Amino acid sequence: SQTIHQWPATLVQPVGSPLSLECTVEGTSNPNLYWYRQAAGRGLQLLFYSIGIDQISSEVPQNLSASRPQDRQFILSSKKLLLSDSGFYLCAWEHGTFSSAYNEQFFGPGTRLTVL
Amino acid sequence: AQSVTQPDIHITVSEGASLELRCNYSYGATPYLFWYVQSPGQGLQLLLKYFSGDTLVQGIKGFEAEFKRSQSSFNLRKPSVHWSDAAEYFCAVLDQTGANNLFFGTGTRLTVIP
Repeated sequence: SQTIHQWPATLVQPVGSPLSLECTVEGTSNPNLYWYRQAAGRGLQLLFYSIGIDQISSEVPQNLSASRPQDRQFILSSKKLLLSDSGFYLCAWEHGTFSSAYNEQFFGPGTRLTVL
Repeated sequence: AQSVTQPDIHITVSEGASLELRCNYSYGATPYLFWYVQSPGQGLQLLLKYFSGDTLVQGIKGFEAEFKRSQSSFNLRKPSVHWSDAAEYFCAVLDQTGANNLFFGTGTRLTVIP
């Protein structure tokens, strides 16, 4: 069966510090991977998605970047955190396919980031 | 533009009472609609989804939702709430124009009192 892991679970960082959040998926190959952010009082917003190694698309301009150095590893980074980067970050995966048909996204447990 | 509105930020119900969580969407084509539940400190779990066909959709944990195109709504219901249903509930619409981008509402927090 497939599982998705995120770490750390919680993180408190000062403004201006770097960030690295990791997401890994087990039990599947060539998944599509997603990073979402849930800011306080707001719904989840898609930040990045990836259909393969080193293939990253950004949905919104921001202070963050993403990388996919391995097939089942998705990393969210920042060189200098802003207060507005605080939120709950969720990684998700779906079965990669050449079809345009929808595949269900499965979410990880999330990382709660507080920037002070 | 796609959007999802959940007008109720917080709802409190008694255990055993019925529940209805509201969701309105805006989408140019036939929507793919979802309800997710998020327990404290957990990721999202899919409760149910609507793609086409029968407008009344059954999900897990005794939940159901009804798609009403004329009202652009996809309300979630449960006839008898259990204390374990206390969580945050998110409605989402799928945008397939690029990535399978899920547009989420702001969520409704459900509190269940004994």
